[in-house]
Amino acid sequence: DQQVKQNSPSLSVQEGRISILNCDYTNSMFDYFLWYKKYPAEGPTFLISISSIKDKNEDGRFTVFLNKSAKHLSLHIVPSQPGDSAVYFCAASSSTSGTYKYIFGTGTRLKVLA
Amino acid sequence: ETGVTQTPRHLVMGMTNKKSLKCEQHLGHNAMYWYKQSAKKPLELMFVYSLEERVENNSVPSRFSPECPNSSHLFLHLHTLQPEDSALYLCASSQDYLGNTGELFFGEGSRLTVL
Repeated sequence: DQQVKQNSPSLSVQEGRISILNCDYTNSMFDYFLWYKKYPAEGPTFLISISSIKDKNEDGRFTVFLNKSAKHLSLHIVPSQPGDSAVYFCAASSSTSGTYKYIFGTGTRLKVLA
Repeated sequence: ETGVTQTPRHLVMGMTNKKSLKCEQHLGHNAMYWYKQSAKKPLELMFVYSLEERVENNSVPSRFSPECPNSSHLFLHLHTLQPEDSALYLCASSQDYLGNTGELFFGEGSRLTVL
């Protein structure tokens, strides 16, 4: 049973528009969430994180929103650029585990069209 | 070199072969990880080493054998693998193992094909 789900395997967006990537989780103990970006033939790289004490975290063009009651988080990219084309993974962890034991989703492939 | 480096980047092996994947981190981190990424599946944590001691083994078959000779190096020894073991194997490191915030730094991965 997947605890972290990314139900959209792929997403296409026009350059300059907003990209919204979604992630759902089932474990209510999760209280820290990250997004990673992965280009082909490269390892995942950290993008942005959010703690459950917040409902929003912003870093430049990237904003992550957390809805704890819905157990849902989303990554917004505004404006989208062709260089953002990659696979995006969300990951979650629980402070009760006390470790860097992140549970990852299956990823969403974003394609930004020029 | 900087970050986390993995060799080889690509490996093709038969089911009776013995091979090893190597990972080296240049970040001064204390924890190192092996993840497996199969098509359309989440990243699966395989092993965790903290200060050169194995602290996590997620029910991985014994045909995968990790080794951590020091805090900068991590190996994954492969023996009598199955075709379903074909995947991208990712090494990662973090400053420490304890504490649930912070990021993992990943290598570029070793693409393994088992014939």
